[in-house]
Amino acid sequence: RKEVEQDPGPFNVPEGATVAFNCTYSNSASQSFFWYRQDCRKEPKLLMSVYSSGNEDGRFTAQLNRASQYISLLIRDSKLSDSATYLCVAGRDAGNKLTFGGGTRVLVKP
Amino acid sequence: DVKVTQSSRYLVKRTGEKVFLECVQDMDHENMFWYRQDPGLGLRLIYFSYDVKMKEKGDIPEGYSVSREKKERFSLILESASTNQTSMYLCASSTSDSTGELFFGEGSRLTVL
Repeated sequence: RKEVEQDPGPFNVPEGATVAFNCTYSNSASQSFFWYRQDCRKEPKLLMSVYSSGNEDGRFTAQLNRASQYISLLIRDSKLSDSATYLCVAGRDAGNKLTFGGGTRVLVKP
Repeated sequence: DVKVTQSSRYLVKRTGEKVFLECVQDMDHENMFWYRQDPGLGLRLIYFSYDVKMKEKGDIPEGYSVSREKKERFSLILESASTNQTSMYLCASSTSDSTGELFFGEGSRLTVL
């Protein structure tokens, strides 16, 4: 079983709609969580950290459920430019050891 | 602007050849990492380094070695390339205060024939 699992998608989303997807992690020692974004043929870049109380960054909302060991990402008012692969990341050893999920592909269409 | 530079974007090598992948960062970061990315498997950690001349195995170190002689440079070495090492290789760096933000290079796509 992979340590961090994601639905690969693709999630086909009409422009302006809301999309949400989850990621599960198996290592209960994971202490920190992140969402990265990777555009086609580009390197991953940090989208946002995920805090225990949940956090929002503009149209993006991340939630953490430690009891069920999953994190979620919600994108509101989707833009065409949100089309990308979203990588779920769990960290341990004070955040130095990061484990990436396989990514969820999101396609926003007009 | 932060910069992680990987020396080669595309390489084609033959089975058994020795391959060097170079990575340089200009942010004075303590931590450097090598990942490989394959469809359906995501990014997998090969090796990482917290300091000069220091290295630690990641999740899939077999068939690879690394070198960090200077703080800004982290090299990945394939002593004898095999076809199952055909992949996208991504170098990354981060600060020692572990905010979780990795800065990645653009990647090196290696094909082993």
